[in-house]
Amino acid sequence: DGGITQSPKYLFRKEGQNVTLSCEQNLNHDAMYWYRQDPGQGLRLIYYSQIVNDFQKGDIAEGYSVSREKKESFPLTVTSAQKNPTAFYLCASSWSRAPYEQYFGPGTRLTVT
Amino acid sequence: GENVEQHPSTLSVQEGDSAVIKCTYSDSASNYFPWYKQELGKGPQLIIDIRSNVGEKKDQRIAVTLNKTAKHFSLHITETQPEDSAVYFCAANEYNDMRFGAGTRLTVKP
Repeated sequence: DGGITQSPKYLFRKEGQNVTLSCEQNLNHDAMYWYRQDPGQGLRLIYYSQIVNDFQKGDIAEGYSVSREKKESFPLTVTSAQKNPTAFYLCASSWSRAPYEQYFGPGTRLTVT
Repeated sequence: GENVEQHPSTLSVQEGDSAVIKCTYSDSASNYFPWYKQELGKGPQLIIDIRSNVGEKKDQRIAVTLNKTAKHFSLHITETQPEDSAVYFCAANEYNDMRFGAGTRLTVKP
């Protein structure tokens, strides 16, 4: 089955620790994205990548880092510099950057205490 | 920032009634307008989309209309069912990025 997977579904960390969220897609998409979703709010773009070894900051990149070493993978690291990291994180991919449909993964809920 | 406004934020309807969700955008160059449905604890799933060269698109009980002059587009769900209950997001490709509305929580009461 083609799709986009995220792991783990739930993640718990202590303050001050970095944590990496996994995102893998087998849709052969060039573009991949990371969004943050907070209750009652829309999706806010953290980072996106249009091609391997290249990525760009989105609207709320501070405290986050990414890498794109393989076409299929786009991991997100939430660093200790992120002031309020508890949120639902969504990864997405598309054939190319807008205006194309984005396919979303199931999300990772991160809780930092 | 968020350039797509979505209303209402919550919507409650009786089963069988229609539901309408409206969005406005600001970039006159926007040409792609998808709608996503998100169930609790899951990622958004595309339910319908429309491009700027058409004014309306239908898929069974779901329809989307687009008014380019007024820069707004709407989602219409007819004959609502309890399984339609979810959060719905509109989006538009604004200034080369996909921008999402804040979402509408639709509740369909049996």
